[in-house]
Amino acid sequence: EAGVAQSPRYKIIEKRQSVAFWCNPISGHATLYWYQQILGQGPKLLIQFQNNGVVDDSQLPKDRFSAERLKGVDSTLKIQPAKLEDSAVYLCASSLGTGGRNFGPGTRLTVL
Amino acid sequence: GENVEQHPSTLSVQEGDSAVIKCTYSDSASNYFPWYKQELGKGPQLIIDIRSNVGEKKDQRIAVTLNKTAKHFSLHITETQPEDSAVYFCAASNDNFNKFYFGSGTKLNVKP
Repeated sequence: EAGVAQSPRYKIIEKRQSVAFWCNPISGHATLYWYQQILGQGPKLLIQFQNNGVVDDSQLPKDRFSAERLKGVDSTLKIQPAKLEDSAVYLCASSLGTGGRNFGPGTRLTVL
Repeated sequence: GENVEQHPSTLSVQEGDSAVIKCTYSDSASNYFPWYKQELGKGPQLIIDIRSNVGEKKDQRIAVTLNKTAKHFSLHITETQPEDSAVYFCAASNDNFNKFYFGSGTKLNVKP
């Protein structure tokens, strides 16, 4: 089966600019997650969707981050405006239920 | 909430030697413990997992042990090979699998 797809793979922006990441989960996976992975740390959950509804967004900085999952399939994560500390790898993952995560390759964001 | 600590942060072994990575957790309700391998430029990939009703699980050269009383679990890799070089993450989750709490990662370097 095809894995979790993410784009772009790399993005460099200036602080205060906006950026968007896209994720296409494994076909049939109802649960989709966005994680932030800062260099040298483990992934930290930003938001979890069950179909197109939000299950957990307690760690999402809602003043600048937003995410949506229209039609319960693809998802986009947006940062506006970006800060230097947002530099990280943004990982999308999906799962059938709430079991093991299948991670995508990630998007490496550099904020200058 | 759950707190997962992982040691060591870096580990260097000679090819053919064994490698052991250890994690501790704080929440006694955690009962699912996956291990992920992350190669450079890729997302984490599940390599083995264990549930709390089992003390040990093995898959070829990889094994995981769990001590529920002491709240720690370990990853054992035998006969290490250069392709085992990567960052390894442990995680802990509860019954709902809703939240995965990741350790900070161990960078394993297998020297040929």
